[in-house]
Amino acid sequence: ILNVEQSPQSLHVQEGDSTNFTCSFPSSNFYALHWYRWETAKSPEALFVMTLNGDEKKKGRISATLNTKEGYSYLYIKGSQPEDSATYLCASNNDMRFGAGTRLTVKP
Amino acid sequence: ETGVTQTPRHLVMGMTNKKSLKCEQHLGHNAMYWYKQSAKKPLELMFVYNFKEQTENNSVPSRFSPECPNSSHLFLHLHTLQPEDSALYLCASSQDLLWGSILEKLFFGSGTQLSVL
Repeated sequence: ILNVEQSPQSLHVQEGDSTNFTCSFPSSNFYALHWYRWETAKSPEALFVMTLNGDEKKKGRISATLNTKEGYSYLYIKGSQPEDSATYLCASNNDMRFGAGTRLTVKP
Repeated sequence: ETGVTQTPRHLVMGMTNKKSLKCEQHLGHNAMYWYKQSAKKPLELMFVYNFKEQTENNSVPSRFSPECPNSSHLFLHLHTLQPEDSALYLCASSQDLLWGSILEKLFFGSGTQLSVL
């Protein structure tokens, strides 16, 4: 993988559903992996900075895991709420190259 | 409120106009960045400044001219832009350069939505 890739591009879930999405990044010369949440009409906001293989971070109902050997990170949201609706971005800290994001919509 | 303020929020300009985007951070950070978000594309890094010195120019056309008079202010001067330059321009800052510390993260402004007619 040469670029940072995120999947799916968009996701629609019902309130209360748990969901997850993927960030794939170049595993060579790995430095750190960032997750950001970007709500409409607001600024992107940092969620996690992850550095170690096997690392797991948690913030409320949101958690993330990291596999630096195979070059992927998962973001999980447990019991999605409408306020979780946003675009979730990941970026590789080698050169802060961002993925295109996963746009999450949580329906009440 | 992230501590990074961008003005204006919206800008419409003709191809022959000259305009400037302004970014100000109140966080005491040393590094500042310009990013471009075009429709359906990932955020693209344009310029990086560290302690007022430009450290990155990501092959950006010369019609975009950055200026960093001090660590708190960053400008993007625009002239003779093309319609394809229409995009959201985001400013960000970090305490120190991102690739200098694994603990660094970006603080973003809300962006300037630019339309070039």
